[in-house]
Order: sequence, then C-alpha cells, then structure tokens
Amino acid sequence: AQSVTQLGSHVSVSEGALVLLRCNYSSSVPPYLFWYVQYPNQGLQLLLKYTSAATLVKGINGFEAEFKKSETSFHLTKPSAHMSDAAEYFCAVSDRGGGNKLTFGTGTQLKVEL
Amino acid sequence: NAGVTQTPKFQVLKTGQSMTLQCAQDMNHNSMYWYRQDPGMGLRLIYYSASEGTTDKGEVPNGYNVSRLNKREFSLRLESAAPSQTSVYFCASSRIRDTEAFFGQGTRLTVV
Repeated sequence: AQSVTQLGSHVSVSEGALVLLRCNYSSSVPPYLFWYVQYPNQGLQLLLKYTSAATLVKGINGFEAEFKKSETSFHLTKPSAHMSDAAEYFCAVSDRGGGNKLTFGTGTQLKVEL
Repeated sequence: NAGVTQTPKFQVLKTGQSMTLQCAQDMNHNSMYWYRQDPGMGLRLIYYSASEGTTDKGEVPNGYNVSRLNKREFSLRLESAAPSQTSVYFCASSRIRDTEAFFGQGTRLTVV
C-alpha cells in the first residue's frame, strides 16, 4: 500500500525567504508523485509532478521539487516566498495501476509574513 | 473550458435525508473520483471509476453509493445522511495512463 507523510501541518516563513515543505512517501512500486496547492474555498491545482523522467521537477509559480529515491522524499521548495503563496499544499502519490488513484498527505498550511 | 463541474456548491441536510452530488467533466477523461476533505486528514478517496461502466470502493466508502452515468458524469449519493458525513467533497478526473488529476471546486456539505 502506498502512503504519504507531510512533516509539519503549519509552516510560517517571511516574505522573500526560502520555502521548504517536506514530503516522504511509501510505495511498493516506482511512484508517480505530485504537489497540489489549495487556495481558500477552492479546489486543488497541480503545482508539479514527477513521473520518472528528470528527478528535479519544475512547476508553476517558481516552485520545484526533487525526487530522492534513497530518502523516499519529494520535498517542495521555492527560493523566495511571496504573500500570494499562502495556501495549503498537498503531496500525493499515485498507484500507477488501473484508475491511477491518488493517495494524499494530510497537508501543510503555508503562512507568509511580512 | 469548464473542466470539472460540481453541483451544488453548498448543501445543508438533516440527519437521515438523502441527496446526490453531481459531477461532470468535459475533458474526455476516462477516470473519475470522489474524495472527501476533512481538517487534518487531507483528502480521502470515497469511490472511483477507472473507466465508463466500472466503479470501485476507495478508502472510505461506507454510507455512499456512486453511479457512472456516462463518460462525462459521475454522481455520489448519500442515502441516509449522518453528521459524520459533514465534509467538503471533491470530484476529480484523469486520463488512463496519464496521472494528473483535475479537481472541481468542491461541495461543502453540512449534516445537522
């Protein structure tokens, strides 16, 4: 069975500071991995995805994530936080099988302070 | 391009009442999903449909039923609502063998 662990339910950074959101996964097969963002009262929007091509994946809004098989990690980073980055972020893993079901982590709420 | 459309956006039910949440996608996707989102628990899969004509249980199917009406539409039914089903419900869709899922805007359901 696959699972995702997001360390830190709440992360607070200053505007302009590095954003680091942590995600570790467990999967019996090589995974597909995703980061989604959710703004208040909205649905989820895909930030980026890893599907076994390059291990460093670039996404929208300046975010990127690196797949590290040895650490079973897929941490999300952004060099300089902006106020508009304040949202909830979800890491997810796909089973790659029939249906491509996503298993989500519990989410990390990012707060950006002046 | 509408993407994934859910109706209604908000609903209040009394315990024991029934209702159906509607979902439609216009991206010609084969797979469709229903998730519920609760604080501190992320999104949990209720039911999914890998392709038209098939449905399968997810992680938390109890108290729910689904119908894949056609390739575009996937509905979620609560036969006898309970307060534990108070949640935000999201419908999503994806292509088979392509893993990105697209989400609707959600239905906020309160059962009193």
